[in-house]
Amino acid sequence: GQNIDQPTEMTATEGAIVQINCTYQTSGFNGLFWYQQHAGEAPTFLSYNVLDGLEEKGRFSSFLSRSKGYSYLLLKELQMKDSASYLCAVKDSNYQLIWGAGTKLIIKP
Amino acid sequence: GAVVSQHPSWVICKSGTSVKIECRSLDFQATTMFWYRQFPKQSLMLMATSNEGSKATYEQGVEKDKFLINHASLTLSTLTVTSAHPEDSSFYICSATAGLAGSHEQFFGPGTRLTVL
Repeated sequence: GQNIDQPTEMTATEGAIVQINCTYQTSGFNGLFWYQQHAGEAPTFLSYNVLDGLEEKGRFSSFLSRSKGYSYLLLKELQMKDSASYLCAVKDSNYQLIWGAGTKLIIKP
Repeated sequence: GAVVSQHPSWVICKSGTSVKIECRSLDFQATTMFWYRQFPKQSLMLMATSNEGSKATYEQGVEKDKFLINHASLTLSTLTVTSAHPEDSSFYICSATAGLAGSHEQFFGPGTRLTVL
């Protein structure tokens, strides 16, 4: 079966750095997405990785290792507004998005 | 950027009635649209995938006769929840992509919160 695992909840301090991990087992791989979702709102796109390595975009970076079936989202200089759920999603061989359950990130002052 | 709108943003209805939710891509042609449902504190659950002019593909466990999807044009898809019941109360989100495959990200609408009394 297809499976995406990410921690249910994480807590971090304002101004700090946090890494949210995602491991996946899917039938084929055509890219990995990270989305941010604030409570009661729809997800918004953060990043896309299809090749191994690190993609940096401002305070957010995303890393992918296809051989390990592993990705992480790195958030730097955390702000209170970063409190949200972070969803990892993988596009399988049929180009269908398989979603993780999301990681709820709580930022404390 | 690509914008997807949904209407209404929230709706409250009586049990047994039908509710139609519209999803529109405002500045691009969406070859594929997706309908998701999300219960509180849970992840997105894909309900169906629709391509313009063809029948929607429903995920396992989703009743196609209860959740009617019409993708009439490249910018509009509708989801009708027929004979709604309280257990259908949820956050319904649509998304759209401009490509059938590849790296194309899904652009999400703002969601519709349905409450069935």
